[in-house]
Amino acid sequence: DAGVTQSPTHLIKTRGQQVTLRCSPISGHKSVSWYQQVLGQGPQFIFQYYEKEERGRGNFPDRFSARQFPNYSSELNVNALLLGDSALYLCASSPAGGRAFEQYFGPGTRLTVT
Amino acid sequence: SQELEQSPQSLIVQEGKNLTINCTSSKTLYGLYWYKQKYGEGLIFLMMLQKGGEEKSHEKITAKLDEKKQQSSLHITASQPSHAGIYLCGAANSGGYQKVTFGIGTKLQVIP
Repeated sequence: DAGVTQSPTHLIKTRGQQVTLRCSPISGHKSVSWYQQVLGQGPQFIFQYYEKEERGRGNFPDRFSARQFPNYSSELNVNALLLGDSALYLCASSPAGGRAFEQYFGPGTRLTVT
Repeated sequence: SQELEQSPQSLIVQEGKNLTINCTSSKTLYGLYWYKQKYGEGLIFLMMLQKGGEEKSHEKITAKLDEKKQQSSLHITASQPSHAGIYLCGAANSGGYQKVTFGIGTKLQVIP
C-alpha cells in the first residue's frame, strides 16, 4: 500500500504570497494532521482533521487554514507568507479505532519564503 | 503546556557500540512516541508507550517508559550506520485529538 503522499516536494514563494500544500493519507485512514518543522526543531502541531471536521488546532495565526475533502485528502493553506514560515510541512494520517494513536508521516513539503 | 527535553542533543558513536537517548517530560505522559527522521525527510514511526514501566522493542531498538510516566529512554544495541538520523520523542495529547508535542530531537551519527 502507498504511504502518505504530499505535494509539491519543494516550493519557493515570495513574502506576502499565498501557498497551498496537499496531502493524501494512507488508504482507509480518515484522520489527517499537519505539522510545521523549522530547521533544527521538532515538528509543531498545526491542525488535525477527522471526517472532514477540524478536531484540533495548534498555536498558529489565522493565516494558516486547512480543509479535508470527502476522499480524506487535505490541503493546508497559508496566506500572507512571512520569512518565518520557511519550514518543512509534514502531514500525518491515522487509522480509526484502536490504532488511532499510530501517526504515519509523509515525506513533507519544503517551503522557502524569500 | 507540556515540554519535552531530549538528551543528548547530538551523539557520535562507533559502529557496534550501544547507546541511549533520554526524553524527559515536564508533565505526566498520556503516551510517548518515538520517531526517527532522516535529514529533511518525513518521520518514521518506531513505537508508542502508554503504560508506566512499559518496554517495547523494534529490531535492535528498545524503548522504556518509567513508572511515573515522565521519562523515557531509547536504547540501540550494536549500532549500525543505518541507525543514523534524528530521533524524536513526542508526547501524545490527552485532549481527545491527535496532537503530538515533540522534543527538539537527538542527532545520531554512527561511524563505520
